[in-house]
Amino acid sequence: DAKTTQPTSMDCAEGRAANLPCNHSTISGNEYVYWYRQIHSQGPQYIIHGLKNNETNEMASLIITEDRKSSTLILPHATLRDTAVYYCIVGYTDKLIFGTGTRLQVFP
Amino acid sequence: EPEVTQTPSHQVTQMGQEVILRCVPISNHLYFYWYRQILGQKVEFLVSFYNNEISEKSEIFDDQFSVERPDGSNFTLKIRSTKLEDSAMYFCASSELGADTQYFGPGTRLTVL
Repeated sequence: DAKTTQPTSMDCAEGRAANLPCNHSTISGNEYVYWYRQIHSQGPQYIIHGLKNNETNEMASLIITEDRKSSTLILPHATLRDTAVYYCIVGYTDKLIFGTGTRLQVFP
Repeated sequence: EPEVTQTPSHQVTQMGQEVILRCVPISNHLYFYWYRQILGQKVEFLVSFYNNEISEKSEIFDDQFSVERPDGSNFTLKIRSTKLEDSAMYFCASSELGADTQYFGPGTRLTVL
């Protein structure tokens, strides 16, 4: 499974868009990009995933570059409840390999 | 919205004792997983399970660990003889298909004294 690189931490003002980057330069053609988040010590929560095209759901948007070597998760209007660790995971196997993620702090 | 449930939320045990952690996956899901997270560390994959067999397991999942689907709804993780280093949050997850979106439960905090 491909390795991902994410910033250790980011801040975002409440109500503003949070843009979380992820580098996955060794991604292979079959591998999906998954985003999960973990609030405190709760179970990881699925956010969104994609293969090649940009994706949007009720939680977020996922922008994948044309070469698929990087992606950005966008939370369009961050709230205090979005404060969490966000994990970018790349793979196509039936196991998720979690890195250390990005700790997003949303402030009032 | 259907969700994965886990019991108990917190389990305290003495070193050397057996523990069974229980999970009820989402009802139409066919693939089941266990992960663990030692305090302050990454979430680590333990095992995946499909069609009453282990599909894949990590190096952590040694002979002390076993999984079972004893009936149509429960999925269990057994640790035969707990060690201090088994203290962690244990998360169950399920997915409808393999290599598909996994949905996680709230976790069981295991404390080994």
